[in-house]
Order: sequence, then C-alpha cells, then structure tokens
Amino acid sequence: RKEVEQDPGPFNVPEGATVAFNCTYSNSASQSFFWYRQDCRKEPKLLMSVYSSGNEDGRFTAQLNRASQYISLLIRDSKLSDSATYLCVVPQAGYSTLTFGKGTMLLVSP
Amino acid sequence: GAGVSQSPSNKVTEKGKDVELRCDPISGHTALYWYRQSLGQGLEFLIYFQGNSAPDKSGLPSDRFSAERTGGSVSTLTIQRTQQEDSAVYLCASSPTTGTGASYGYTFGSGTRLTVV
Repeated sequence: RKEVEQDPGPFNVPEGATVAFNCTYSNSASQSFFWYRQDCRKEPKLLMSVYSSGNEDGRFTAQLNRASQYISLLIRDSKLSDSATYLCVVPQAGYSTLTFGKGTMLLVSP
Repeated sequence: GAGVSQSPSNKVTEKGKDVELRCDPISGHTALYWYRQSLGQGLEFLIYFQGNSAPDKSGLPSDRFSAERTGGSVSTLTIQRTQQEDSAVYLCASSPTTGTGASYGYTFGSGTRLTVV
C-alpha cells in the first residue's frame, strides 16, 4: 500500500453541492493530519488540521478514522472558488516530515 | 519576513549547468523543508533542516543535489550538472516546530520553477 492514497478525480460538482473526499494512509501513528489546498500553478496552502475528534471550519469538515486509516474532507455548499486540488497530508514519525498525497481535483461549476 | 520567500521564481538552465535555489523562511521558524513537484505529480520530499541538528537528507535523489542552511535561516539548494529530469517546481516550506503533538503544518513559498533544456 502506498503511504498516502487519494482518488485523483476530477470531481465535477455544481455550485451548492456537498462533496466528500477520502484519503487512506499507512505507517503513521500521528495524532493529527492535514488537508492542504493547491490552486493551479500555486503553492499548497494549509486548509485545516484533522484531529481524532474531527474538525469543522465553516463549510469544511474533516474526520479521521484511525482504525481504518482514512481521513475525509467534506465540503458543503460548494463555491466556484473551492475549485482546486486537495492534498491529504500525513506526518511521519515525530512530525519531522510530511508525506503528501497526489491530491484530488475538485471542479465546481455554475 | 511575512512569508516564505524563494528566488528565483523561474529558472531556465542548460543541461549540465549548476543551479542554486534560495529560500528565506519565516522569521523564527526553526524547521525548513525542500520539496519538489513535477508536472502532474505529488510533492516529493528532498531535505529537512531542524535548528542546528544534522539535516535529514534522505529524500535527495542523487549526489548532484545538496543543500545548506546558514545561521539557521536562509537555505540554498544546489543542483549540479542539471539533467532534464530535474525540471520541476522546487518548493521550500518552514514550520515553527516539529515537536510531538504539534499541528502547525507548513507554510510554503511560491516555489522556483526550474526548466532544464
């Protein structure tokens, strides 16, 4: 199993839709994980952290299922500006480095 | 500075030449990372600096790649005898700490787009 796996998409959704991405990981005992957002030809930017208890920030909800080793990101009421690639990020031992998934592309259309 | 600064933003070089890429992290951030991203690919870890500790070079793809960090701040990534497969966006990131339990993530610079012709 690859360290971090994501469905590359693209996910094509209309404005206002709810969309969810999953990410599976291996080899991490971390307590928290991350979702990053990367716009075309731009650097990745931290979207939110993912804790065992879950995390909600406005329209975004992140969940961690440690037993099944997957992380999810739910986006409600999608906006055109949500169109981007969403990267699942898994810390390695001691948080010394982060391993990035290849990302899931989201396209929100009018 | 306010963010992570990288220079140059774009670099075109001839195969076989050496290049130096510069990264100026956020002031006070002790951890500095180099990643690269090839077209359509994910981020590939290259090297990591934490304070005055020996760097983690486990991601460097060959001995043509090296990096240093002077005074715990600015870092330079050097690629010797560049090859076409070195063409990628080289991203630098910094973080305030890597202590266990930290949830800081990284702040990335805007990258250097390297094209080897």
